[in-house]
Amino acid sequence: GQNIDQPTEMTATEGAIVQINCTYQTSGFNGLFWYQQHAGEAPTFLSYNVLDGLEEKGRFSSFLSRSKGYSYLLLKELQMKDSASYLCAVRDGDYKLSFGAGTTVTVRA
Amino acid sequence: ETGVTQTPRHLVMGMTNKKSLKCEQHLGHNAMYWYKQSAKKPLELMFVYNFKEQTENNSVPSRFSPECPNSSHLFLHLHTLQPEDSALYLCASSQDLESAYEQYFGPGTRLTVT
Repeated sequence: GQNIDQPTEMTATEGAIVQINCTYQTSGFNGLFWYQQHAGEAPTFLSYNVLDGLEEKGRFSSFLSRSKGYSYLLLKELQMKDSASYLCAVRDGDYKLSFGAGTTVTVRA
Repeated sequence: ETGVTQTPRHLVMGMTNKKSLKCEQHLGHNAMYWYKQSAKKPLELMFVYNFKEQTENNSVPSRFSPECPNSSHLFLHLHTLQPEDSALYLCASSQDLESAYEQYFGPGTRLTVT
C-alpha cells in the first residue's frame, strides 16, 4: 500500500513563495506527480518527477528525493488564481496513481 | 476545458434509487478511470478500463457497476447506495496505461445520497 502525507492547508500573500511538502512511503515507486484542483473543478496535471532533482516549469517547480521519500512543489510570485488544492500523487507499478489528501492553498492580497 | 465531460454535474438520490453517471472523452484516449473524492480524503481509484476492458476493480462494492461500451464512453451505474457513498465522482482518461500520469480529469459529479 501507499502512505502519502501533505499539509492540509497553507496561506500566503500575493507575490510571495509557498512550498508544499509531500512525503511518501510506498512498496514501489515509478514517479511522483502534482495536480492542481480549483474548487468545483477537475484536477489538472502540473508536474512529474521520476529522477532526483528539480523540475522547473514557469512559476512552478517540483523537487524529488527518492532516498528520502520526499517531494515539494514550489509556487513563486503567487497570484490570486493560485488559490486551489494541490494534490501529490505517487505511481506504484505501471499505472496506478495513489493520491494524498491535498493541500489547500489560500492566497491573500 | 480538459476534453473530458461528465453528466450530470450534481445528483441527489435516495438509497433505493437507480441512477447512472456518464463520462465522455474527446481526446482519442484508450484508458479511462473512475475515482471517488470525499471531503478531506485522498482521491480513491475505483475502476480502470484499457481498450474497453476492465483492468482494475479496487475492491469496490457491487452497488457500483461500471460499463465501458467503447473507448470514448464510461458509465457508472448506481443502485441501493448508502449515505457514505456521497462524494465527488471523477472520471479521467489517458492515452494508455503507460502514460497514466498524464491523466485528464472531468469536472466530476457531486453525488448526495439521502
